[in-house]
Amino acid sequence: AQSVTQPDIHITVSEGASLELRCNYSYGATPYLFWYVQSPGQGLQLLLKYFSGDTLVQGIKGFEAEFKRSQSSFNLRKPSVHWSDAAEYFCAVGPDSSYKLIFGSGTRLLVRP
Amino acid sequence: GAGVSQSPRYKVAKRGQDVALRCDPISGHVSLFWYQQALGQGPEFLTYFQNEAQLDKSGLPSDRFFAERPEGSVSTLKIQRTQQEDSAVYLCASSLGNQETQYFGPGTRLLVL
Repeated sequence: AQSVTQPDIHITVSEGASLELRCNYSYGATPYLFWYVQSPGQGLQLLLKYFSGDTLVQGIKGFEAEFKRSQSSFNLRKPSVHWSDAAEYFCAVGPDSSYKLIFGSGTRLLVRP
Repeated sequence: GAGVSQSPRYKVAKRGQDVALRCDPISGHVSLFWYQQALGQGPEFLTYFQNEAQLDKSGLPSDRFFAERPEGSVSTLKIQRTQQEDSAVYLCASSLGNQETQYFGPGTRLLVL
């Protein structure tokens, strides 16, 4: 069965520091991969997505993610975190089309001033 | 333009009560999705519509859950005889097609006492 693992429940970084959020998936073929962000009381906002092609994907708000097939990973990165980035981040996989997304359990990002 | 809207934003129900949750998708979006997000978890797929046709309801947890989209726009998720385990945030998403980006609403937080 397809699954998504986000091993870090919470991550705390200082403002201006770099960030990497981990995501591993289990799926037999190349999946469609997504990162969403959820702020308190808000819906999920798409940061970026990978369907095929270049394995380094650029997204909104200065985020990027790299698809590594050999590691079944799709980690999210940002070179310099801003206080407004504090939120919950979800990695998701769409097995054979991009509907019926399967989400990880999320990583809550806290930003120290 | 207007995003996905959901109402009510908050709902408190007594155990055994029926509830109806509404989703207004982005105008022109063919596909509509419902997800359930338990506290501290990622969203889990419930059901999927393409226009008025419910093409996948494999995620509905029991026959107490029913969703409809009779005119291919607004959708209602109905839960009959609510139980405490139904307490969650119910998210609606819409997309232009089933392989397009899903845009999420703010969710309805349901608390069953």
